[in-house]
Amino acid sequence: EDKVVQSPLSLVVHEGDTVTLNCSYEVTNFRSLLWYKQEKKAPTFLFMLTSSGIEKKSGRLSSILDKKELFSILNITATQTGDSAIYLCAVESPGGGNKLTFGTGTQLKVEL
Amino acid sequence: EPEVTQTPSHQVTQMGQEVILRCVPISNHLYFYWYRQILGQKVEFLVSFYNNEISEKSEIFDDQFSVERPDGSNFTLKIRSTKLEDSAMYFCASRGRRASSGANVLTFGAGSRLTVL
Repeated sequence: EDKVVQSPLSLVVHEGDTVTLNCSYEVTNFRSLLWYKQEKKAPTFLFMLTSSGIEKKSGRLSSILDKKELFSILNITATQTGDSAIYLCAVESPGGGNKLTFGTGTQLKVEL
Repeated sequence: EPEVTQTPSHQVTQMGQEVILRCVPISNHLYFYWYRQILGQKVEFLVSFYNNEISEKSEIFDDQFSVERPDGSNFTLKIRSTKLEDSAMYFCASRGRRASSGANVLTFGAGSRLTVL
């Protein structure tokens, strides 16, 4: 059974801190790894990673994939209260549906 | 920015009743999905749909569930006889065809919260 594990489950930091969120996976077939941010409702897309060692960056957020060790990290620098959300990691498997297998998420709370 | 639209945002129903959740995917997308998230648990894949047929479904998607694309825009999830454990947030998602310059990612709707009493 495909498995995606995220850590930590929850995290409380102060504004300005840097955080690192972890995602490890065990899947039968791998196409890509995706990070989503879930605030009130819909997960919103952050990054898609397909190749090892290539950092993807968007503002204060960055992510990298290690396909040998089967994990990814999401970094957020200079955190702001607006970064408070659940961060979801998902692995896409090729096949008929290209379904995503999600981890449980990391709940991040950024306090003033 | 194009978005996936879902209705209703919240539905309360009695156990045993039929429920239809509606979704309008992004207009030029070709692949459609339903996921669900039980409160406090992970987002789970239910079914994928392409070219007017189911391309993959999970163990959760049993005979009580069905999907349909009745016209060119709507994509529906029907639960024939709801159970208490069907209470969850149901997310519709869609994506386009992968482009050679990159990949099309899944875009999620805001979800339909189903409460079964």
